[in-house]
Amino acid sequence: EAGVVQSPRYKIIEKKQPVAFWCNPISGHNTLYWYLQNLGQGPELLIRYENEEAVDDSQLPKDRFSAERLKGVDSTLKIQPAELGDSAVYLCASSFGRGAYNEQFFGPGTRLTVL
Amino acid sequence: GENVEQHPSTLSVQEGDSAVIKCTYSDSASNYFPWYKQELGKGPQLIIDIRSNVGEKKDQRIAVTLNKTAKHFSLHITETQPEDSAVYFCAAPGGGNKLTFGGGTRVLVKP
Repeated sequence: EAGVVQSPRYKIIEKKQPVAFWCNPISGHNTLYWYLQNLGQGPELLIRYENEEAVDDSQLPKDRFSAERLKGVDSTLKIQPAELGDSAVYLCASSFGRGAYNEQFFGPGTRLTVL
Repeated sequence: GENVEQHPSTLSVQEGDSAVIKCTYSDSASNYFPWYKQELGKGPQLIIDIRSNVGEKKDQRIAVTLNKTAKHFSLHITETQPEDSAVYFCAAPGGGNKLTFGGGTRVLVKP
C-alpha cells in the first residue's frame, strides 16, 4: 500500500516568489494535516482538514499561506510571496478518523529553501 | 493550549545500552501520548502510544511509562541497536484534536 506522497521533495526559490506543495494522502484517510518543521524542532500544525473542510487553520499565516483540499483527497499548500523565514520542511500527514487519537501517517516532506 | 517539553535534545549511547527520553506536558486534559520516530529524510512514524488509563506499555524493546499526577511520560529503549539511531518526538493533544509535539531527541547509537 502506498504511503503519503508529497511533491516536490526539494524546492529552492528566491524570496518573494510563489511556491506550491502537493500531497496525496493514503487512500481512505479522511483527515489530512499540513505541518511545518523547522530544523531541529518538532512538527507544528498549520492546517487540518476533515474531508474537504478546514477544521483547524488557526496556525496558518493567512496573509501569505493558503491551502485547499478539493474533493476531499489531494491537497495543495501555497506560499505567496515566500520569505526567507519560510525555509523549512513542510510535512503532510493523513489519518483515518478525526481527532488526535488516531495514528498519523506522514509523508517524506518537502524541503523548501528560500534564498 | 498544550505545551510539551522534551529532554534531552541529544542522546548518545553505546550499542546494547538503554536509552530514556522524558517529556512533560502542561494540559491535564491530555489523555493520549504517542511517540514518533523520524529517520533522516523521512517523515515521523508512530512507534508506540499510551492512553491515560494505563501506566506502562511495552512493545518488544520499547516501552512508555506515564505519570499523570506529575504530567510526564517517558520512552525507554532497551538493548539499543544502530537502527535505533533517529530523532524521536513525543506528543500530547491537550483537550482538543491537535497534537503538540516536543522539540525532539536525536539518538545516536554507537557500535
